[in-house]
This record gives sequence, structure tokens and C-alpha cells, in this order.
Amino acid sequence: DGGITQSPKYLFRKEGQNVTLSCEQNLNHDAMYWYRQDPGQGLRLIYYSQIVNDFQKGDIAEGYSVSREKKESFPLTVTSAQKNPTAFYLCASSLTPGTGAGELFFGEGSRLTVL
Amino acid sequence: AQSVAQPEDQVNVAEGNPLTVKCTYSVSGNPYLFWYVQYPNRGLQFLLKYITGDNLVKGSYGFEAEFNKSQTSFHLKKPSALVSDSALYFCAVRPFSGAGSYQLTFGKGTKLSVIP
Repeated sequence: DGGITQSPKYLFRKEGQNVTLSCEQNLNHDAMYWYRQDPGQGLRLIYYSQIVNDFQKGDIAEGYSVSREKKESFPLTVTSAQKNPTAFYLCASSLTPGTGAGELFFGEGSRLTVL
Repeated sequence: AQSVAQPEDQVNVAEGNPLTVKCTYSVSGNPYLFWYVQYPNRGLQFLLKYITGDNLVKGSYGFEAEFNKSQTSFHLKKPSALVSDSALYFCAVRPFSGAGSYQLTFGKGTKLSVIP
């Protein structure tokens, strides 16, 4: 079935460690996104990518990095510079806005806890 | 910059009664509007979208939403609530074109509780 796969679902990290969250899609979408969700704050955009080898910062990019080497993959690295990384991270993809409404399709999320 | 307001953190409704979850938005130009639902520890599921045309949009699981341009609102509705509708609901907006068209902006969410 077509969809978005995020891994791992749960991840524990010690302070000072970098971690990488995986996101893979087989929907043939050009655009991919990373959001962070905290209780009571909704979803905040970290990074997005319109096309392979290109990405832009969202509203809260500090302490995060991404790459887009393949159309299907958009991994997110949470670096030690991120001051409060404990959160639920959601990856999404969409058709290029303009080819449709550009609704997002989401993965099941990755919950990161810093010990 | 675009923004979305969901004025109610929580909505309680009795099973079988109609439900409304409110959303207002701000965006430059014409909007694309969306509703999503989230169950605990899960990703967001797409419910419906407004692009253009008919102001009443029908979506999944019997939900519908009414677009009101003058009030910049896009309220989610359902004629008869089910206990299984209990979840977190998000409204989202993005501009039709131009700067920010890739950036879908979400509200903070409304927790819907349907009481048996």
C-alpha cells in the first residue's frame, strides 16, 4: 500500500547525542515536510523540501538538519544544539501545491524522549 | 503570514447530537483549507478540504465543513456524533499561490469528546 513510513516509533536519547529520524514515502510526491508536535501547541514546521536536493527552513529549524538525496526519503537529524528536543515528530508529503490543493499525507510519527 | 485560530481547546457533545468544531483563518489571497483528525499517538488523517466552489464541503466519516469567506471561517460539522469521533481535530490553511504556498499552517487543535 502507498504511504509514509516513519521509524523508529519511539526513541530515547541522552543529552548531547544527535539522533536521526527516518521518513520514507512511496506516494511519488515531490514535496516532503517535518513537523514537531507539542501538547497544546499544534504542529510547527521544522523543514520542508519541494524537490530532491533542495530544502527550506520552517518556523523552528534551529537545532535540526535534513537532507533530500532521494525523492522517497527525507531524514531529520535532531542535533545536540536543540535545547528541548522531547516531542512527537511527524513527517508528511504532498503533491506540489498548484497541481492540487496540496493536502498533506502524514506518517504515524516518532516520539523522541531525552533522558 | 497565515494563521489559524481554533477558539475551543475542548468540545464536549452527547452521542447522537450534532457537533461543531470552530476554525477561523487569516491568509493573503484565496485560501486552501483543510481539516485533519488525530487519534492518540498516531499521525494526522485527512478529513476534507476546501479549494473553491461550493461552500459546503463533504468529507470522510460523515463530516462536513462550511466555508464562510466574509467571516473567514471554516467550521467542521457532523449531524450525529459517535463515541468513535472522540479525537483531536486540526484546522489548517495555506495560500492559493505565492510565498508560503508550501507552508500549511495548523491551528492548535480542538479535543472532541463524545459522551455516551
